[in-house]
Amino acid sequence: DAMVIQNPRYQVTQFGKPVTLSCSQTLNHNVMYWYQQKSSQAPKLLFHYYDKDFNNEADTPDNFQSRRPNTSFCFLDIRSPGLGDAAMYLCATSNQGAEGYTFGSGTRLTVV
Amino acid sequence: KNQVEQSPQSLIILEGKNCTLQCNYTVSPFSNLRWYKQDTGRGPVSLTIMTFSENTKSNGRYTATLDADTKQSSLHITASQLSDSASYICVVTLGGYNKLIFGAGTRLAVHP
Repeated sequence: DAMVIQNPRYQVTQFGKPVTLSCSQTLNHNVMYWYQQKSSQAPKLLFHYYDKDFNNEADTPDNFQSRRPNTSFCFLDIRSPGLGDAAMYLCATSNQGAEGYTFGSGTRLTVV
Repeated sequence: KNQVEQSPQSLIILEGKNCTLQCNYTVSPFSNLRWYKQDTGRGPVSLTIMTFSENTKSNGRYTATLDADTKQSSLHITASQLSDSASYICVVTLGGYNKLIFGAGTRLAVHP
């Protein structure tokens, strides 16, 4: 089945230690998104790629970076995780016009 | 300001009963409205998507309605099951952009 896959499901990292979360898709969607979702809150958009064009939200901290080496893969890099970065990170994809918007199962990040 | 408001914030019902969740939005321009189900610790899963011209859409025991004039939507769950316990999120796509405006969700608990 075509889908959005996030790995790992759970990630524990040390305070200040760089961590990378990954997302892959088999939907061939041209837009990929990263969201941060804290407990009992709505997902918050961090940035998205429209093909190779990177679009950062104005309030996304510099600590968060992203890479999209090809259509299928997108990575979220947290350069120096703080305790406040502990959250669920959701990857989503869509085609042009935000149709077929599909979320992955998420990666829950714990910072110790 | 583009906003999506959901009510109630939380709801407890007995297994087998029906319930209706509400969503009001002020998003403009409007592209479409989606309802998602999000189980604890998982990514959101799409239940329905409706465009401006659609006023009802069903997906099994889930029926969504949309009144584009009053900018209101509802999600009706029939014959609830224990597995319906989750957060239900109303999401409106901002027309002309790949941007989703999320409601805060309604947390539904179905008790035996």
